[in-house]
Amino acid sequence: KAGVTQTPRYLIKTRGQQVTLSCSPISGHRSVSWYQQTPGQGLQFLFEYFSETQRNKGNFPGRFSGRQFSNSRSEMNVSTLELGDSALYLCASSLDGGGNQPQHFGDGTRLSIL
Amino acid sequence: DAKTTQPPSMDCAEGRAANLPCNHSTISGNEYVYWYRQIHSQGPQYIIHGLKNNETNEMASLIITEDRKSSTLILPHATLRDTAVYYCIVRRINNDMRFGAGTRLTVKP
Repeated sequence: KAGVTQTPRYLIKTRGQQVTLSCSPISGHRSVSWYQQTPGQGLQFLFEYFSETQRNKGNFPGRFSGRQFSNSRSEMNVSTLELGDSALYLCASSLDGGGNQPQHFGDGTRLSIL
Repeated sequence: DAKTTQPPSMDCAEGRAANLPCNHSTISGNEYVYWYRQIHSQGPQYIIHGLKNNETNEMASLIITEDRKSSTLILPHATLRDTAVYYCIVRRINNDMRFGAGTRLTVKP
């Protein structure tokens, strides 16, 4: 069974630009969560999507948004990029997002802002 | 959400058991204990999880105390490839996972 696939693996952008990251969950998984990982703040939850609806949201500004498609694939968008947005962005999928369902992570997209 | 406390670092000899402790004294009755590990530049890897009972799978064993205020992850025969940061997480039903700083485990030959 294929794991969680994130594209692209690496991305370089400049301040003020916007970026879209993609995540393909494990087949059959309907919940997709996004996380940001930085050396200073560690792993922080961004949001979770289930059945094309945002179900949970972390404490990030509105510049961070996402969506989920009917095939459960998800995209995350960051607008008006800032230097502090440089991070590893991780996507995780699970069957239904319930507490007894493990989330399985992809290897992330490393975003660098110049 | 319940917070977790883990030692920042631990060493273990190759071939020996690695016992990683975690305190979660404010855990609620419906919160699961999850363990993940992360090797540099990769995404976190799921290891094991449990609610009340001890659990074992092909990777590790999870021992949860009777009062559920602490747990221990056991890697029975540590190898060099087990060197990683290990995260203990308390997770509510239908909730995100809040990662702490974790324990950096170094397995030495």
